[in-house]
Amino acid sequence: GESVGLHLPTLSVQEGDNSIINCAYSNSASDYFIWYKQESGKGPQFIIDIRSNMDKRQGQRVTVLLNKTVKHLSLQIAATQPGDSAVYFCAVTYSGAGSYQLTFGKGTKLSVIP
Amino acid sequence: GAGVSQSPRYKVAKRGQDVALRCDPISGHVSLFWYQQALGQGPEFLTYFQNEAQLDKSGLPSDRFFAERPEGSVSTLKIQRTQQEDSAVYLCASSSGLAETQYFGPGTRLLVL
Repeated sequence: GESVGLHLPTLSVQEGDNSIINCAYSNSASDYFIWYKQESGKGPQFIIDIRSNMDKRQGQRVTVLLNKTVKHLSLQIAATQPGDSAVYFCAVTYSGAGSYQLTFGKGTKLSVIP
Repeated sequence: GAGVSQSPRYKVAKRGQDVALRCDPISGHVSLFWYQQALGQGPEFLTYFQNEAQLDKSGLPSDRFFAERPEGSVSTLKIQRTQQEDSAVYLCASSSGLAETQYFGPGTRLLVL
């Protein structure tokens, strides 16, 4: 099965700096990757996704990079703001097997220092 | 439009009680997923539906857990004879299709005493 690991359980950054959160996955057949943000007491909130036919995708202040060779995924947040403080999860799925369940990592807690 | 809603938001149950957790997906979303999130962990898959059909229930931890979606819209996750280890946040997500983005509700926090 799939396993998803994180590189750092916590990350502290100064307001205005860029943040990079990393994630590794095990199944080379994984084809859909999502980053979620979860604030305390709330459900995961979709940030950005990327499919395996791409290696980079940009949104508003966020960029996801996918390196299929080393099975690594990263989320970059530009000009980090206090409102970005939350736990960030990467989630992975392999749709080819007919299973659409997401496998989540344990999350990285991002703290923004004003 | 409205997002995924779940009720109740909090539930305290005595060990051995049965509980029912409700999920209202985003209107028109045919796929519905249930996840369990233990404290400090990422969500873990329980089961999913395509319309009213339960296509995968491999993540349900025991036969005390079952889920239904009889009309292909609202879903209920039922836990019978609750145990302390069932204490967790139960998250529901919906998507417009099985391979599409899953949008999550706020979750139901279950505490079994």
